[in-house]
Amino acid sequence: DAGVIQSPRHEVTEMGQEVTLRCKPISGHNSLFWYRQTMMRGLELLIYFNNNVPIDDSGMPEDRFSAKMPNASFSTLKIQPSEPRDSAVYFCASHLAPAGYTFGSGTRLTVV
Amino acid sequence: AQSVTQPDIHITVSEGASLELRCNYSYGATPYLFWYVQSPGQGLQLLLKYFSGDTLVQGIKGFEAEFKRSQSSFNLRKPSVHWSDAAEYFCAVGMPGTYKYIFGTGTRLKVLA
Repeated sequence: DAGVIQSPRHEVTEMGQEVTLRCKPISGHNSLFWYRQTMMRGLELLIYFNNNVPIDDSGMPEDRFSAKMPNASFSTLKIQPSEPRDSAVYFCASHLAPAGYTFGSGTRLTVV
Repeated sequence: AQSVTQPDIHITVSEGASLELRCNYSYGATPYLFWYVQSPGQGLQLLLKYFSGDTLVQGIKGFEAEFKRSQSSFNLRKPSVHWSDAAEYFCAVGMPGTYKYIFGTGTRLKVLA
């Protein structure tokens, strides 16, 4: 298994631009999570899906953030418009209870 | 509310020395417990997990952890640290019946040659 695949690995964009981060979970895993990691705030859960349905999006910081999971093998996290304070590493993780999360390698986002 | 505390932000040990990283949790019942490791520029990798049963669990890379219900702790240990163990370590708590884990703030391990 290739694990959880995230793209791109690095993204540099200008303030105000739209950013889309992508995630392919492990086949057969039925839960998917988006996390954000910064030095100041550590790991923050943004949103998670179970069987492609958003269950808890209380961690999404603002309406500028949105996430979708149109099918079991793909999810996106979109930021529109992006701001410098969105700069962080964004991780996707997938899960088949109760084994534990498998994380992707992350997308390092820099908004200038 | 559930919470996870990793009291040590940084720990420095010499190569070959033993290691113990602390993790305390707050939860009304026995949770699922996990330790993850994150090397620079990488995602988090699962080291070990505890669900029930034997309170001493073995993980990858020679790590072990012990669940102590009376102390609400799940400390990670390794008898002899290698330079390649330098990384950040995260403890996480999962509530049975949910999919959501709570992660601690992490402990950054430095290994001296």
